[in-house]
Amino acid sequence: NFMLTQPHSVSESPGKTVTISCTGDGGSIAANYVQWYQQRPGSAPITVIFEDIQRPSGVPARFSGSIDSSSNSASLTISGLRTEDEADYYCQSYDTVNWVFGGGTKLTVL
Amino acid sequence: EVQLVQSRAEVKKPGESLKISCKGSGYIFTSNWIAWVRQMPGKGLEWMGIIYPGDSDTKYSPSFQGQVTISADKSINTAYLQWSSLKASDTAMYYCARQSVAGYLDFWGQGTLVTVSS
Repeated sequence: NFMLTQPHSVSESPGKTVTISCTGDGGSIAANYVQWYQQRPGSAPITVIFEDIQRPSGVPARFSGSIDSSSNSASLTISGLRTEDEADYYCQSYDTVNWVFGGGTKLTVL
Repeated sequence: EVQLVQSRAEVKKPGESLKISCKGSGYIFTSNWIAWVRQMPGKGLEWMGIIYPGDSDTKYSPSFQGQVTISADKSINTAYLQWSSLKASDTAMYYCARQSVAGYLDFWGQGTLVTVSS
């Protein structure tokens, strides 16, 4: 089974840049698209990156996605951090019969 | 404006049945898949399954196959998630979400909190 592993938490200061990783296990991360979802406390998730690198309309250009086949991982990079970026972030991809979510990363902006 | 409005929170006892709903508006309901996602208290997101309201084609996560039933009534633009016999471990927030043409979940319902306790 394909699994996605994320760091439990990351923290960074306002104005800085943070990168959240999502490592694939049991298959190639490049075989299927990766999405990233942001979930603020008490709210439903929203998509911030789809198809590895695409941003939905309304998502700031401070959010970017990438894939690194050599490390079998996807990354979400947020630049110019703002306090409103503090949230849980989930990567998501696909298995043969399944959608797979990473365990989530809690981003603290302090 | 695309909206997915879910039914209200539920408190049930173990062994009871339950059906929660997700009503779509602002788009052609039969043209997009609707997914169900579970979030247990303090935990991450889990994909449960997905339905195409146009023909009710349904796919389940192996983890949830046989545990829940996903259905849709296209005449009233509503998708459903149901249990025949709830367990305490079904306590969670349940989200419905629309799958975009590009394949990602572009609109989410507000969530339905299901609490199962004796």
